[in-house]
Amino acid sequence: AQSVTQLDSQVPVFEEAPVELRCNYSSSVSVYLFWYVQYPNQGLQLLLKYLSGSTLVKGINGFEAEFNKSQTSFHLRKPSVHISDTAEYFCAVIPIKAAGNKLTFGGGTRVLVKP
Amino acid sequence: DTGVSQNPRHKITKRGQNVTFRCDPISEHNRLYWYRQTLGQGPEFLTYFQNEAQLEKSRLLSDRFSAERPKGSFSTLEIQRTEQGDSAMYLCASRGGTSTDTQYFGPGTRLTVL
Repeated sequence: AQSVTQLDSQVPVFEEAPVELRCNYSSSVSVYLFWYVQYPNQGLQLLLKYLSGSTLVKGINGFEAEFNKSQTSFHLRKPSVHISDTAEYFCAVIPIKAAGNKLTFGGGTRVLVKP
Repeated sequence: DTGVSQNPRHKITKRGQNVTFRCDPISEHNRLYWYRQTLGQGPEFLTYFQNEAQLEKSRLLSDRFSAERPKGSFSTLEIQRTEQGDSAMYLCASRGGTSTDTQYFGPGTRLTVL
């Protein structure tokens, strides 16, 4: 089984400041890793995913994440946030060789960007 | 590509009533997933279809819940004898046939059981 822990439930940040959202996972098998964003009253939108290769992954809207296998982490960063980045962010994993490929999500981190 | 759609977007019902939700996936996607998201939590897997076959069900899916995908296209999720604990956002996602394909989510159906 897999589990995902997002260490911060809420992160307040000022506009144009950097932000880092922490994600750690536990799995007995290799996994693919994902970050999704959920804006109010909307479904989830994929920000980025790590499948293999370079451990630094760039996504949409200026976000990037770094996979660290030894620390089983996949932290999300953005160097300068905008008001429009106010949303909830979810880290998720899928076992590489599982037939169903169902996502296991963390509890989410709510980002509030202040002017 | 019109994305994943879900109907209704909101449903308010009284305890004990039955409700049914519909999900229309992206047309070429043969895999369809249902998740449930309660307030302040991440989505939790409920069930998964490959074409019309329901291949996996979570322990969260009690016998009051049933899901179908009769022609391998749209899917329905029915909850019988709703309970207040069923209040949640029900999310549908679909993806193509490769394991690295992204799951695309619909906007969800928010259920409130009074």
